[in-house]
Amino acid sequence: EAQVTQNPRYLITVTGKKLTVTCSQNMNHEYMSWYRQDPGLGLRQIYYSMNVEVTDKGDVPEGYKVSRKEKRNFPLILESPSPNQTSLYFCASRPGQGTEAFFGQGTRLTVV
Amino acid sequence: DAKTTQPPSMDCAEGRAANLPCNHSTISGNEYVYWYRQIHSQGPQYIIHGLKNNETNEMASLIITEDRKSSTLILPHATLRDTAVYYCIVLGWGSNYKLTFGKGTLLTVNP
Repeated sequence: EAQVTQNPRYLITVTGKKLTVTCSQNMNHEYMSWYRQDPGLGLRQIYYSMNVEVTDKGDVPEGYKVSRKEKRNFPLILESPSPNQTSLYFCASRPGQGTEAFFGQGTRLTVV
Repeated sequence: DAKTTQPPSMDCAEGRAANLPCNHSTISGNEYVYWYRQIHSQGPQYIIHGLKNNETNEMASLIITEDRKSSTLILPHATLRDTAVYYCIVLGWGSNYKLTFGKGTLLTVNP
């Protein structure tokens, strides 16, 4: 089944403890990206990648890192999480320009 | 990418057609209209997209006005499971892949 898989689905962590949210897609898509969703602010793009080893900042990249070492995986790294990164995170992929995007089921992160 | 305007909320009776409007008066010639929906904090789900012709798939129909300044998403027979926030997005072919989600329309399907 074609899908975007995020792990974990839920995570509670403490301020400053590095964490990684994984994202994997099985559709051989070139484009992948990360979004965060907050009440009243909607979905905002954090980082995106147009292919292996090609990444760029979205609208809200501060405090996040990403890597794209292989086509299927696009992990989101929080080196030193802070409470303002408490949010619902979504990974998405799409095969190319002008095509539909597939979203993962989300990761609800709480930083205390 | 052009900005879109949608009503914040709409209601629809189960089994009836739901017609969700979207204004995109600044759309340019190479920009597509996309519709996604999000059911209660799940990942957004693609519904349909079009450039200038009307489109139909197994989920919905998309009607784009001749001047392309507005469009309507039609769910022909709404069910309770169609209750969701619906997002209308305008995206250029040469875009950097960023989907800019506005506030969308909360469609509530009532029994």
